Amino acid sequence: GAVVSQHPSRVICKSGTSVKIECRSLDFQATTMFWYRQFPKQSLMLMATSNEGSKATYEQGVEKDKFLINHASLTLSTLTVTSAHPEDSSFYICSARGYRVRNTEAFFGQGTRLTVV
Amino acid sequence: AQTVTQSQPEMSVQEAETVTLSCTYDTSENNYYLFWYKQPPSRQMILVIRQEAYKQQNATENRFSVNFQKAAKSFSLKISDSQLGDTAMYFCAYSGAGSYQLTFGKGTKLSVIP
Repeated sequence: GAVVSQHPSRVICKSGTSVKIECRSLDFQATTMFWYRQFPKQSLMLMATSNEGSKATYEQGVEKDKFLINHASLTLSTLTVTSAHPEDSSFYICSARGYRVRNTEAFFGQGTRLTVV
Repeated sequence: AQTVTQSQPEMSVQEAETVTLSCTYDTSENNYYLFWYKQPPSRQMILVIRQEAYKQQNATENRFSVNFQKAAKSFSLKISDSQLGDTAMYFCAYSGAGSYQLTFGKGTKLSVIP
């Protein structure tokens, strides 16, 4: 099956600093990547959708200046949490779909647990 | 907007028994996809089974099968011969045929009891 690698799996940062999370499709070209946020014991909430080479589309209520998404290549998308605060602590998950894979299915990364102290 | 409802926050089943997880959804689209994802304690999202709305036949994957009732907008998951490794959160999800964005239900926490 298609593999999506997300890095880092865990990160702790100080309040006010920025953190970058990477999402890579290892064996397929990801035309679209999705970024989700999951609070403890809750479901996944879509934050934004990014298509390679174009600006991300953010869901209502998601601050685009705080959560910067870049999808510069067909295998890499990054999420940067800028000026992080404790309320940004959460589990972030990316998923990807693309060419030559079952295009009804999105493949998920392992997730990143962000803790802001 | 599409919504997905899972009305069972938690369920438990004895090992080797059968359990059914419920899911209903709301949409005005005629063509779409439905999924069940499993999220074990590792939190990796794992696709369990997928159903295309235009197919009348219910999808099956080994011990996992669905009961897809399009008119009722119901999509339940049946797990047969439950195993300890089935213990996880199970999310029902909807995707429109054009967008492929996933809308998730709130999840059902399934515990398989030895």
